[in-house]
Amino acid sequence: AQSVTQPDIHITVSEGASLELRCNYSYGATPYLFWYVQSPGQGLQLLLKYFSGDTLVQGIKGFEAEFKRSQSSFNLRKPSVHWSDAAEYFCAVGPSGGYNKLIFGAGTRLAVHP
Amino acid sequence: GAGVSQSPSNKVTEKGKDVELRCDPISGHTALYWYRQRLGQGLEFLIYFQGNSAPDKSGLPSDRFSAERTGESVSTLTIQRTQQEDSAVYLCASSLGVQREFYEQYFGPGTRLTVT
Repeated sequence: AQSVTQPDIHITVSEGASLELRCNYSYGATPYLFWYVQSPGQGLQLLLKYFSGDTLVQGIKGFEAEFKRSQSSFNLRKPSVHWSDAAEYFCAVGPSGGYNKLIFGAGTRLAVHP
Repeated sequence: GAGVSQSPSNKVTEKGKDVELRCDPISGHTALYWYRQRLGQGLEFLIYFQGNSAPDKSGLPSDRFSAERTGESVSTLTIQRTQQEDSAVYLCASSLGVQREFYEQYFGPGTRLTVT
């Protein structure tokens, strides 16, 4: 069955520290991969996406993610976290053909300490 | 330009009542999606509309759920005889199309439904 696993429900980091949010997926073929961020009271915003090619993708707000086919992973990273990054982060996968029926992970809630 | 809008933002209803949730996609977006987000969980796909094609209803959890879309504009999600397990945030998203270059989904702020 197709699924997305985000092993960490909550993560707390200090402002200025580095961040890595984990995402593993189970999918029949190479999917398209996405990270979304949901801030309190706001809709989901796309941070970055991977379709093909270079396995390290850059996104908005200084985030990047690396696709590792051998590990079925698409981990999100940021070298230095800002207090405004506190939010919930969702990893999602979608089919590389056909329409964009996304499967989401359960999310990781990020707290940032000053 | 305007993003995806949803109404109402909050809805409290009694068990057994019907509710109707509305989504206004971004103008020109041919694809429209509904998702459900239960507390502490990720988003679950409910239904997808693309142009005049038959919608994909494979994610609807029961026959109490239905959705309509008028052309490439407004969509309504209807839940009949609401149950407490229907309490969730219902999110709508739209995209320009389904080709890779149009793949990005833009999400609305959601409707928080509480069934008492």
